[in-house]
Amino acid sequence: IAGITQAPTSQILAAGRRMTLRCTQDMRHNAMYWYRQDLGLGLRLIHYSNTAGTTGKGEVPDGYSVSRANTDDFPLTLASAVPSQTSVYFCASSDSTGGQPQHFGDGTRLSIL
Amino acid sequence: GQNIDQPTEMTATEGAIVQINCTYQTSGFNGLFWYQQHAGEAPTFLSYNVLDGLEEKGRFSSFLSRSKGYSYLLLKELQMKDSASYLCAVMDSNYQLIWGAGTKLIIKP
Repeated sequence: IAGITQAPTSQILAAGRRMTLRCTQDMRHNAMYWYRQDLGLGLRLIHYSNTAGTTGKGEVPDGYSVSRANTDDFPLTLASAVPSQTSVYFCASSDSTGGQPQHFGDGTRLSIL
Repeated sequence: GQNIDQPTEMTATEGAIVQINCTYQTSGFNGLFWYQQHAGEAPTFLSYNVLDGLEEKGRFSSFLSRSKGYSYLLLKELQMKDSASYLCAVMDSNYQLIWGAGTKLIIKP
């Protein structure tokens, strides 16, 4: 079934540890996105990639990094986790950056202690 | 700054009609999206408006007025499965989505 796969589903992590959230899509979409969703706030864009080989910073990029080596994969790395990064992380993709809807993975629930 | 406003929570009765409003102030406008998100799940796409007027898709309709910075999502013949959060998002001049905090819709029998 075509879609976006995120891993892990959930994780509890000690502060200061490094963590990579994985995201893979098989829809051959050009654009991919990482959001975090916190209670009472809208989805906030962390980083995005309009096409393989390019990345850009979103609204809340500090403490996160991404890479886009190929069309399908868009991992998000927390170099040194802090408690304020406790959140639900969603990866999304879209066919283009224009008026195309974004399709979301099931999310990763991350708790930093 | 950029801002999307929608009510935090609404309650409606099964079988009835509900209208969820969204007002926005963004730097540029390249369309407005509505998504549905059930608790603990991913957002799923409902509708997209880029021109003024009403778009109808079955029980769901979405309206846009660009001059007023206003949209609404209309849900008819409400079913219990419609209990969810409804997210309004505007695509700005950089083609980035700016998201509202979502409206939690509670359906009562």
